[in-house]
Amino acid sequence: AQTVTQSQPEMSVQEAETVTLSCTYDTSESDYYLFWYKQPPSRQMILVIRQEAYKQQNATENRFSVNFQKAAKSFSLKISDSQLGDAAMYFCAYRSAKGSNYGQNFVFGPGTRLSVLP
Amino acid sequence: SAVISQKPSRDICQRGTSLTIQCQVDSQVTMMFWYRQQPGQSLTLIATANQGSEATYESGFVIDKFPISRPNLTFSTLTVSNMSPEDSSIYLCSADRAAEAFFGQGTRLTVV
Repeated sequence: AQTVTQSQPEMSVQEAETVTLSCTYDTSESDYYLFWYKQPPSRQMILVIRQEAYKQQNATENRFSVNFQKAAKSFSLKISDSQLGDAAMYFCAYRSAKGSNYGQNFVFGPGTRLSVLP
Repeated sequence: SAVISQKPSRDICQRGTSLTIQCQVDSQVTMMFWYRQQPGQSLTLIATANQGSEATYESGFVIDKFPISRPNLTFSTLTVSNMSPEDSSIYLCSADRAAEAFFGQGTRLTVV
């Protein structure tokens, strides 16, 4: 079974600075997706960024980028120019590319709580 | 992206009662999913709801406690039955599009 580990329960960053959140996962599959989701105090889960395992290029979305190391099974999230609105829980998630029951193929990490200091 | 409207956003309920949570998706989806998120923790899948068939429950969750309806391709409900304080949690519904999961706003349930 796949597992997702986030070794940093809490992180903090100064406004306008850069922070990196770590995520490692374990799988025997070669084809899968990786995601970072953000959950602010409003509870809404918001997709931040996704990465397909077959793509070597790291995904980027504005101030958010990932460092995807497939051999090391590592998928870190870098937030540049941090803003107060970035404060939230961040969940790393793995999803198999196989099967039709996609929801059950999602595995979420335990989360990292990010605080942004003014 | 998909828009999912979930209600209620929060409720405080007496033990022994039941609460039904509703989720409406802005377009048709094959499957909808219900998650529980206990305070400070990650998401745990409760069940998968397909239209026209019984929901599929994960280990540790049973239909008598968490009955689910899926009357059409845009709507689902989750009922938390015979509630106890241990059921206090956030409940989230979700649907897939293009291999991504989209979530409702969550329901914060407190059982007293």
